[in-house]
Amino acid sequence: AQKITQTQPGMFVQEKEAVTLDCTYDTSDQSYGLFWYKQPSSGEMIFLIYQGSYDEQNATEGRYSLNFQKARKSANLVISASQLGDSAMYFCAMRGRFGNEKLTFGTGTRLTIIP
Amino acid sequence: DAGVIQSPRHEVTEMGQEVTLRCKPISGHDYLFWYRQTMMRGLELLIYFNNNVPIDDSGMPEDRFSAKMPNASFSTLKIQPSEPRDSAVYFCASSSAPGHGSGANVLTFGAGSRLTVL
Repeated sequence: AQKITQTQPGMFVQEKEAVTLDCTYDTSDQSYGLFWYKQPSSGEMIFLIYQGSYDEQNATEGRYSLNFQKARKSANLVISASQLGDSAMYFCAMRGRFGNEKLTFGTGTRLTIIP
Repeated sequence: DAGVIQSPRHEVTEMGQEVTLRCKPISGHDYLFWYRQTMMRGLELLIYFNNNVPIDDSGMPEDRFSAKMPNASFSTLKIQPSEPRDSAVYFCASSSAPGHGSGANVLTFGAGSRLTVL
């Protein structure tokens, strides 16, 4: 079974500072994908970044980067130079393969950016 | 591409009534997922399909819930009879088969259907 753990229910960060959202995972699969989604107050689920389990380099997408530490089963999201529009719920998720293609979500972290 | 299209966006109904939620996945995607989101339980997978065939329905709460995918471009989630505890946001998502890179693996979500059962 796959499990995602997000231990930070809420975070407050000053605008323009960098922020790290924690995510650990557990799986017996050898091949899997790790994802971060953003859910603003409007409710839609927005894909931010993806990391494959065999990718050697950490994924980056603009201000987002994923700090992937496979041995520690950790996939933290780093947002550089935070903006007010970054205030939202952030979900870490995992997807397996070969009959286990569902996306399993963590409980989320509510990020609030303070001006 | 119009993305994943869900209808209705909002539904308010009375306990005991039948509710049908609809989803049109992205063309060419062969995986379709139904999720439910509540404050208490977070995001839960209800069921997912591959090439219109249900693969995992272990998250379907009980016999009152049923899901169908009669063709590659349409799926329904039906609740009969509905109960107040079914009140939630129901998301449909679609994707390609898992493979290399984000394009093959990312689930694209619809805007969700907010259901309120009185």
